[in-house]
Amino acid sequence: DGGITQSPKYLFRKEGQNVTLSCEQNLNHDAMYWYRQDPGQGLRLIYYSQIVNDFQKGDIAEGYSVSREKKESFPLTVTSAQKNPTAFYLCASSIGGGRVTYEQYFGPGTRLTVT
Amino acid sequence: AQSVSQHNHHVILSEAASLELGCNYSYGGTVNLFWYVQYPGQHLQLLLKYFSGDPLVKGIKGFEAEFIKSKFSFNLRKPSVQWSDTAEYFCAVSSYNTDKLIFGTGTRLQVFP
Repeated sequence: DGGITQSPKYLFRKEGQNVTLSCEQNLNHDAMYWYRQDPGQGLRLIYYSQIVNDFQKGDIAEGYSVSREKKESFPLTVTSAQKNPTAFYLCASSIGGGRVTYEQYFGPGTRLTVT
Repeated sequence: AQSVSQHNHHVILSEAASLELGCNYSYGGTVNLFWYVQYPGQHLQLLLKYFSGDPLVKGIKGFEAEFIKSKFSFNLRKPSVQWSDTAEYFCAVSSYNTDKLIFGTGTRLQVFP
């Protein structure tokens, strides 16, 4: 059963702690993406990766970090530097990055609450 | 910078009513256009997409969208909505030579029986 998994579904952290959100895909996609979804603001791109060991900042990368050591995995770390980390985080993947846009497939999301 | 506007933030309809959700984008070059839907408790999923060709695109569940280049618009339509269409709808745009999607702020649709 192919798809994207994100874990956990709900995550609670204290302010000042770093937290890592997991994203795994078994679709054999080259490109992976992290978005943040806030009410009334749509989806905003945090980081994306077109290929293993390479990634680029999106529109709101401050306070976040990523790694792409394996094709199927693209974890996102929300650091203590992120001013407003409470949000719904969505991971997505597509066949290939580069200069052509392909359909993006989304995971179920992780709702992070920081208090 | 590219941007996407969805003018309707919250739409409430009765079953069998017709639906049109607006989407306008700001980019002068060739674009790829998408509508995604997020049903309650489910993954965000693709409803339909336009890359080239016929500007009237048909998607899943009876939805269609029309690309009007002169108006920079890609409005979503359905002739007769059902209760099961209750969801949040997102328009997204990418310029032809990039792989980044720019999303609109979304439209929440509520359909009452």
